[in-house]
Amino acid sequence: NAGVTQTPKFRILKIGQSMTLQCAQDMNHNYMYWYRQDPGMGLKLIYYSVGAGITDKGEVPNGYNVSRSTTEDFPLRLELAAPSQTSVYFCASSYGQGNTGELFFGEGSRLTVL
Amino acid sequence: GDSVTQMEGPVTLSEEAFLTINCTYTATGYPSLFWYVQYPGEGLQLLLKATKADDKGSNKGFEATYRKETTSFHLEKGSVQVSDSAVYFCALTLRGSNYKLTFGKGTLLTVNP
Repeated sequence: NAGVTQTPKFRILKIGQSMTLQCAQDMNHNYMYWYRQDPGMGLKLIYYSVGAGITDKGEVPNGYNVSRSTTEDFPLRLELAAPSQTSVYFCASSYGQGNTGELFFGEGSRLTVL
Repeated sequence: GDSVTQMEGPVTLSEEAFLTINCTYTATGYPSLFWYVQYPGEGLQLLLKATKADDKGSNKGFEATYRKETTSFHLEKGSVQVSDSAVYFCALTLRGSNYKLTFGKGTLLTVNP
């Protein structure tokens, strides 16, 4: 009964370092999303995917990259970490069609860039 | 563009008090509306939803009615409990948008015993 699993839960990076946030879901959902949550700002969409091999930019994609080689996995890559990327990152998935859009969220990954 | 505006927090209530969290939206199409809840240290989870005008979503004693004429989806609960302390997010999605959610900024609710 795993649902959406994110790793790591916490990470501290130095400016300019790179890292990948992992996201995996076991519900056979076609749609996957990456959001960032900043205090008092709600959630902003970074990237999303409608199926394996297909990705698209969301509202705040700069400084990030994604890939979707399998239905289950949707990693988020930060290439040159900047303090502005300090945030809590949430991965989510959705079955999509016929489901009226309910998203299932992971527990989040808290990233600090110093 | 599409947006969601919800009342600023934090909101502090005593147990058994009545709760209202206001939410209004702006959308170019005909959205589905959601309330998500985030308990401390956890991810978001769906609380309730409504997909067309005058629909009422309900769950765990919470209710919200989709009002197209006032573009609103206010969250209510008649008697809150300490366990309801969380951040509440109003959100919308539009048909044809690949189910992307647009969120409000969230409202922190604290319920004291």
